[in-house]
Amino acid sequence: AQSVTQLDSQVPVFEEAPVELRCNYSSSVSVYLFWYVQYPNQGLQLLLKYLSGSTLVESINGFEAEFNKSQTSFHLRKPSVHISDTAEYFCAVSALSGSARQLTFGSGTQLTVLP
Amino acid sequence: DVKVTQSSRYLVKRTGEKVFLECVQDMDHENMFWYRQDPGLGLRLIYFSYDVKMKEKGDIPEGYSVSREKKERFSLILESASTNQTSMYLCAVHGGQVNYEQYFGPGTRLTVT
Repeated sequence: AQSVTQLDSQVPVFEEAPVELRCNYSSSVSVYLFWYVQYPNQGLQLLLKYLSGSTLVESINGFEAEFNKSQTSFHLRKPSVHISDTAEYFCAVSALSGSARQLTFGSGTQLTVLP
Repeated sequence: DVKVTQSSRYLVKRTGEKVFLECVQDMDHENMFWYRQDPGLGLRLIYFSYDVKMKEKGDIPEGYSVSREKKERFSLILESASTNQTSMYLCAVHGGQVNYEQYFGPGTRLTVT
């Protein structure tokens, strides 16, 4: 079984400041890693994912995450945030289980960007 | 990308009522999922289905059942709604073994009074 820990439930940050949202996971098998974003009153959208290859993955809107196998982490970073980045962010892991690919989610981090 | 639609955005039901939440995908993917989302708990898997008429329990199946009679449609059923089932319900579709991601519907906010 897998588990995901997002240590920070709330992260307030000023506009144009850098931010890091932390994600740690545990698993006895290899995993795929995902970050999803949820804007108010919407469903979840994929932000970025790590399946294999380069451990640093990037999204189209400036976020990046680095897979660190030794520390079992997949932290999300952005060097300069905008008001529009205010949302809830979920880290998730996936491993083959049964007949379907399930996701195990963390409890989420609310990022609030302040003017 | 897969488009996932859910039958209602907001729903208010009374305790003891039978509730149906429907989810429809516009592709032909096999794996579909129902989650509930509660503050501080993230998303928790209720049930999933890997083909027509095939289903498996997730982490919190108690009080719920599901139905998948056609590949594009996956229904979540609350046989007798209770106040502790007030929550946001999210349907998702797995995009297959090319990109491995799940595509989510907009969610149904259910209130049981």
